[in-house]
Amino acid sequence: GQNIDQPTEMTATEGAIVQINCTYQTSGFNGLFWYQQHAGEAPTFLSYNVLDGLEEKGRFSSFLSRSKGYSYLLLKELQMKDSASYLCAVMDSNYQLIWGAGTKLIIKP
Amino acid sequence: GAVVSQHPSRVICKSGTSVKIECRSLDFQATTMFWYRQFPKQSLMLMATSNEGSKATYEQGVEKDKFLINHASLTLSTLTVTSAHPEDSSFYICSARVGDLNTEAFFGQGTRLTVV
Repeated sequence: GQNIDQPTEMTATEGAIVQINCTYQTSGFNGLFWYQQHAGEAPTFLSYNVLDGLEEKGRFSSFLSRSKGYSYLLLKELQMKDSASYLCAVMDSNYQLIWGAGTKLIIKP
Repeated sequence: GAVVSQHPSRVICKSGTSVKIECRSLDFQATTMFWYRQFPKQSLMLMATSNEGSKATYEQGVEKDKFLINHASLTLSTLTVTSAHPEDSSFYICSARVGDLNTEAFFGQGTRLTVV
């Protein structure tokens, strides 16, 4: 079966750095997405990785290792507004998005 | 980025009635749109894939006669929840993909449906 694993909840301090991990097992791979979702709102796109390595976009970076079935989202200089759920999603061989359950990130002052 | 507009954002309806949710791509043509539902503290669950001009493809376990999807144009897809019941109360989200199959998906704002 297809499976996406990410921690249920993480807590970090304002101004710090946090890394949210995602491991996956899917039938084929056509890219991995990270989305941010605030409570009661639709997800918003953060990043897309299809090749191994690190993609940096401002305070957010995303890393992919296809051989290990592993990705992480790195958030730097955390702000209170970063409190949200972070969803990892993998596009399988049929170009369907397989979603993780999301990681709820709690930022404390 | 591309804009997807979903309407209404919130709706409360009586049990047994039908509710229509609209999803529009405002500045691009979406040949494919996706409908998701999300229960509290759970992941997005794909309900169906909607292709313009053809019948929607439903995921296993989703009743196509209950969740009617129409994708009559390249900018509009609708989801109608027929004979709604309290267990249909959920957060419904549409998304659209632009162009290539592995580009990012743009999401509508979501619709919070409460059936009383």
